[in-house]
Amino acid sequence: GAGVSQTPSNKVTEKGKYVELRCDPISGHTALYWYRQSLGQGPEFLIYFQGTGAADDSGLPNDRFFAVRPEGSVSTLKIQRTERGDSAVYLCASSLDGQLNQPQHFGDGTRLSIL
Amino acid sequence: DAKTTQPPSMDCAEGRAANLPCNHSTISGNEYVYWYRQIHSQGPQYIIHGLKNNETNEMASLIITEDRKSSTLILPHATLRDTAVYYCIVSQGKLTFGQGTILTVHP
Repeated sequence: GAGVSQTPSNKVTEKGKYVELRCDPISGHTALYWYRQSLGQGPEFLIYFQGTGAADDSGLPNDRFFAVRPEGSVSTLKIQRTERGDSAVYLCASSLDGQLNQPQHFGDGTRLSIL
Repeated sequence: DAKTTQPPSMDCAEGRAANLPCNHSTISGNEYVYWYRQIHSQGPQYIIHGLKNNETNEMASLIITEDRKSSTLILPHATLRDTAVYYCIVSQGKLTFGQGTILTVHP
């Protein structure tokens, strides 16, 4: 079946611009996660949605980062006033119901480059 | 979440079993052990997970010690396509990735 889909696969923009990154989770998965991976590092947690609500946003680095999931399916990660340090691969994952014994399945990410 | 310790790199000959160790001495009772791998330019791929018992699936086997303080991921017949970074994660929900083990499978 279809896995987690992320668009665009690559995004290049100038410093100060606004960007939106989209995640389509596996159909029927109620839990959705965003991670960020810098070069040479493991992914770092950003935010977790259960249904439409953000159950844990403790990983968002500052108030320039915001994410929504209005209908409990597709999610959008939004970054305002981008900075060069925001350059990274942004990964999305989903799991069936967020229970501890349910694995998260990842998309291939959006590679964001801020010039 | 409990921290994990993995060797930074390992080598394995093609066709041989690859045994990847992980220490998680501070694991708590309800934390699962998860293994993921990541090939360059792709997202992490789920391999296997377990709580207390050993587990096996079509990709690998997971051996968890009785005290749960360490585990071993076993790829029974490694192929060149198994070359990747392997992450051992102890989690209560959100995943905390360390540096992982770079496994290189050579002909």
